[in-house]
Amino acid sequence: QSALTQPASVSGSPGQSITISCTGTSSDVGGYNYVSWYQQHPGKAPKLMIYHVSNRPSGVSNRFSGSKSGNTASLTISGLQAEDEADYYCGSYTSSSSWVFGGGTKLTVL
Amino acid sequence: QVQLQESGPGLVKSSETLSLTCTVSGYFISGGYYWGWIRQPPGKGLEWIGSIFRSGSTDYNPSLRSRVTVSVDTSKNQFSLKLSSVSAADTAVYYCARDIGHYASDYWGQGILVTVSS
Repeated sequence: QSALTQPASVSGSPGQSITISCTGTSSDVGGYNYVSWYQQHPGKAPKLMIYHVSNRPSGVSNRFSGSKSGNTASLTISGLQAEDEADYYCGSYTSSSSWVFGGGTKLTVL
Repeated sequence: QVQLQESGPGLVKSSETLSLTCTVSGYFISGGYYWGWIRQPPGKGLEWIGSIFRSGSTDYNPSLRSRVTVSVDTSKNQFSLKLSSVSAADTAVYYCARDIGHYASDYWGQGILVTVSS
């Protein structure tokens, strides 16, 4: 199974909105509504931000939203804040009943 | 509050077997959900290793399947990972996590660094 494709880095200024893409195939992202997004600060465990494409766990800010079109899923962060600076990973269920991650995107808040 | 804690040796010799245990508190494994292992080599991205249900049914990363065993002990509220024939490429922070469905993990352990030495 190949890793999902994410941009290596994105950046934005406080208050702006940014979108991180996650591209897979019809065997993973495109075939199922089981895409999740994780935020990881340095030295910390990943934190679930979005699951099943667009669902937000309790306690996660509504500034975070997820969507999907075809084989590409997206994470949008609105009203960017300094604390949003972190690495973000997407993950998807696959047709072989396994889990594949993206390579990660480093978000810099300017 | 659900908490997970990884434990095991931080140093394993090349060609030997890596063994880790994840102890769960605040939730009974027998209550449901899948329980999984994910790793992250230093400075790199996440890689799913495998997951197990309370019944003992498992799913494994195809690239690691031949070397991985995940097991569960509901009486101790623990699940474990064994990875055989390790090499330097297996050096990573290993995380255990709860999967609420189709690989959406809402609770994670703090992670344990395992270094494979030659």
